Amino acid sequence: QSALTQPASVSGSPGQSITISCTGTSSDIGGYNYVSWYQQHPGKTPKLVIYDVNARPSGISYRFSGSKSGNTASLTISGLQAEDEADYYCSSYTSSSTFWVFGGGTKLTVL
Amino acid sequence: EVQLVESGGGLVQPGGSLRLSCAASGFTFSTYGMHWVRQAPGKGLEYVSAIRDNGGSTYYANCVKGRFTISRDNSKNTLYLQMGSLRTEDTAMYYCARGVGSGSYLDSWGQGTLVTVSS
Repeated sequence: QSALTQPASVSGSPGQSITISCTGTSSDIGGYNYVSWYQQHPGKTPKLVIYDVNARPSGISYRFSGSKSGNTASLTISGLQAEDEADYYCSSYTSSSTFWVFGGGTKLTVL
Repeated sequence: EVQLVESGGGLVQPGGSLRLSCAASGFTFSTYGMHWVRQAPGKGLEYVSAIRDNGGSTYYANCVKGRFTISRDNSKNTLYLQMGSLRTEDTAMYYCARGVGSGSYLDSWGQGTLVTVSS
């Protein structure tokens, strides 16, 4: 069982917006602004899309945004495109002995 | 361009050992923390181990603590993962990744090397 909880799947139509939640505790998401999000297409390497809660790496579309409230972080993708269909993983620094944790992943389907 | 190339994966029997390597190029290796992350077939991502830029501090997931050892050779720009007492549940693709910033987010990943533990 992952330390961070994500929905198993979300879906949306092209052009719509979707939000993926990532719930942790005060020991991880709630305690640090070190939440990151990764996109992984089937058979491909994970790719960083958001870091430090809401920062976008160079080259990542403005359609990707991140936020945090309490112990829950969120990834929002606006103007959905077919190429956004992928698995998405949240991650956080944690004060536990493992130091970093991932969520279980969310499969995004673009209808 | 940042490049991370893993090697050393393969088929090993339960209880066996294996050493993974990750050759880095395109950046000043000695100034970045590095991570190993694995992904079992059809499953999610899992942190395995991490090491600070100077090798002074190391971190391990509870499930590999005492069995795996992470190390680095900054003169060779190479990261290592020595894996021992391997179990079938260690079967996974193993990725090395570069950690950046205070929270050590992973901005660059290798293509991975597959480890299969089976008799």
